[in-house]
Amino acid sequence: AQKVTQVQTEISVVEKEDVTLDCVYETRDTTYYLFWYKQPPSGELVFLIRRNSFDEQNEISGRYSWNFQKSTSSFNFTITASQVVDSAVYFCAPYDQTGANNLFFGTGTRLTVIP
Amino acid sequence: GAVVSQHPSWVICKSGTSVKIECRSLDFQATTMFWYRQFPKQSLMLMATSNEGSKATYEQGVEKDKFLINHASLTLSTLTVTSAHPEDSSFYICSARERGRGSNQPQHFGDGTRLSIL
Repeated sequence: AQKVTQVQTEISVVEKEDVTLDCVYETRDTTYYLFWYKQPPSGELVFLIRRNSFDEQNEISGRYSWNFQKSTSSFNFTITASQVVDSAVYFCAPYDQTGANNLFFGTGTRLTVIP
Repeated sequence: GAVVSQHPSWVICKSGTSVKIECRSLDFQATTMFWYRQFPKQSLMLMATSNEGSKATYEQGVEKDKFLINHASLTLSTLTVTSAHPEDSSFYICSARERGRGSNQPQHFGDGTRLSIL
């Protein structure tokens, strides 16, 4: 079974500031996968990234970057030069390979970018 | 990219009404679809896993007679909220897993259905 903690429930930043969303997970699996999804105010879920436990390289995609630290069970997400369109709820979601064989969503972090 | 269409996007109805929500994979086949419920400012909670041609698997605490799920084809799953009451008001989201792709690959989500029961 998986457990995920997104420490920040809500964050507000001023446009162009950088912001990091923290995600700490617990798992007994030796091989596992981690996802981040974005949920804008309109409600749909947007896939951002999938990372497997074998690959500890950080990843950068435009203004988005992810820092995976297996030793501390963290998979943090940073938005550089934030924009108003980044305002959304962001979910960290480990993949549950037991039981439901499905995504297990954290409580989410609501990010508000102030113009 | 893979698209999941969910319909309707918004429903307002009287208490006691049954409401059907459709989830369609438009350009791929989905052997497995998932139904989630999300209350305001809360996370997504898995309600049930729907496999094509078989009975859905419900999560603990979810009433299967209340939330009827049918997955009759590889492109369509439906969720029927029977005799809906105000406490069933929520945001319902479906997702689909593409046939032939590993279960740890990203799921494709619909845009959700906002259900309001008066």
